[in-house]
Amino acid sequence: NAGVMQNPRHLVRRRGQEARLRCSPMKGHSHVYWYRQLPEEGLKFMVYLQKENIIDESGMPKERFSAEFPKEGPSILRIQQVVRGDSAAYFCASSTGGGIYTGELFFGEGSRLTVL
Amino acid sequence: AQKITQTQPGMFVQEKEAVTLDCTYDTSDPSYGLFWYKQPSSGEMIFLIYQGSYDQQNATEGRYSLNFQKARKSANLVISASQLGDSAMYFCAMREGDGGYQKVTFGTGTKLQVIP
Repeated sequence: NAGVMQNPRHLVRRRGQEARLRCSPMKGHSHVYWYRQLPEEGLKFMVYLQKENIIDESGMPKERFSAEFPKEGPSILRIQQVVRGDSAAYFCASSTGGGIYTGELFFGEGSRLTVL
Repeated sequence: AQKITQTQPGMFVQEKEAVTLDCTYDTSDPSYGLFWYKQPSSGEMIFLIYQGSYDQQNATEGRYSLNFQKARKSANLVISASQLGDSAMYFCAMREGDGGYQKVTFGTGTKLQVIP
């Protein structure tokens, strides 16, 4: 039973390029969360998605960032025209829906973006 | 207002001693869940323990216990018999909502160092 899969694990981009981070949730999970972690800092909520719907994107920067979770395939976090300040670890997590007694949020191992 | 507050940026504990990591939360939702995660230097997020807002008893998982004081809105993590491998960042998190909407917010973390 595979866990949350994120790829790539490490991504290097030059300023102005695009970064695409993928997250395949655990089987049967319909809730996906993206978090950003800057060095030596905590996890900052970015966006919460369910299949084909963005539920809460209050943590997403207004420009250059977008996320999707299509009916088929992984969730994608897309960063256009990257800048050095986008360098961070991006974590994806998934959970089942249907109530608070769903226990833990399952995390992927993170995607570490470095912008040169 | 901060949803999750961890007031201890760093803590030291002697090996084999117990340590308490503080966490307070803020929500008006009657249904919520509280989590603790460990993030070692390798970067992955490791689930430790979960407490639901309706749970009558404090959660325990091996050497980890959650001191849940609902009226005070605190959910402190207690680690008994600390080990060198417990040195890591520890994050408190809260899930709000039930069913269709479940947002999860993290605190800023506490860096625990276990001294031999």
